[in-house]
Amino acid sequence: GAGVSQSPSNKVTEKGKDVELRCDPISGHTALYWYRQSLGQGLEFLIYFQGNSAPDKSGLPSDRFSAERTGGSVSTLTIQRTQQEDSAVYLCASSLDASGGRGYTFGSGTRLTVV
Amino acid sequence: AQSVAQPEDQVNVAEGNPLTVKCTYSVSGNPYLFWYVQYPNRGLQFLLKYITGDNLVKGSYGFEAEFNKSQTSFHLKKPSALVSDSALYFCAVRVAYGGATNKLIFGTGTLLAVQP
Repeated sequence: GAGVSQSPSNKVTEKGKDVELRCDPISGHTALYWYRQSLGQGLEFLIYFQGNSAPDKSGLPSDRFSAERTGGSVSTLTIQRTQQEDSAVYLCASSLDASGGRGYTFGSGTRLTVV
Repeated sequence: AQSVAQPEDQVNVAEGNPLTVKCTYSVSGNPYLFWYVQYPNRGLQFLLKYITGDNLVKGSYGFEAEFNKSQTSFHLKKPSALVSDSALYFCAVRVAYGGATNKLIFGTGTLLAVQP
């Protein structure tokens, strides 16, 4: 596609429920990233996928968070047993290759609200 | 530790005046540096980047940034601010580990407010 697409754009869920957030990167981009932006905060790195390599999961805040990328394209970020502190905007980005030299393109994000 | 600092939470400037949004970084090796802008309830939009070459980089919407290696800075500038420039600005640096991984580390953001 022309840009990075994320769905849903907004998600309200009850505490304790599981949620899945989807990211569809730019076609041909081999690298995909998830970030979290909490209210009034900067962007927190969560996870990075590059081709068929093992993902860099160093930013995942707890074992309730997981992500996968199927077929080197679409990625899903799953949060299990959601907590109120998980409320944030989850941003996905992709880049052409691992170097990032061509830049990074961000989606519009999924605003997650845990009530 | 590799990091990016934006020392000002907010910058206020009058329309028509020049603006500067500050960014300093700490990273091993040669940095890839980026500026992004975020409008309310929107994702991040790319403004400009420095990879190599000229230290003065020109980007979208009349913005430019100067890479200063000795001061480890990458300040964002615009000669004449517009009210429509009011937004949240993020500086970021690419962190790479032997090619096996790379990610952007972001500053905490600077809110630019341009008064008419």
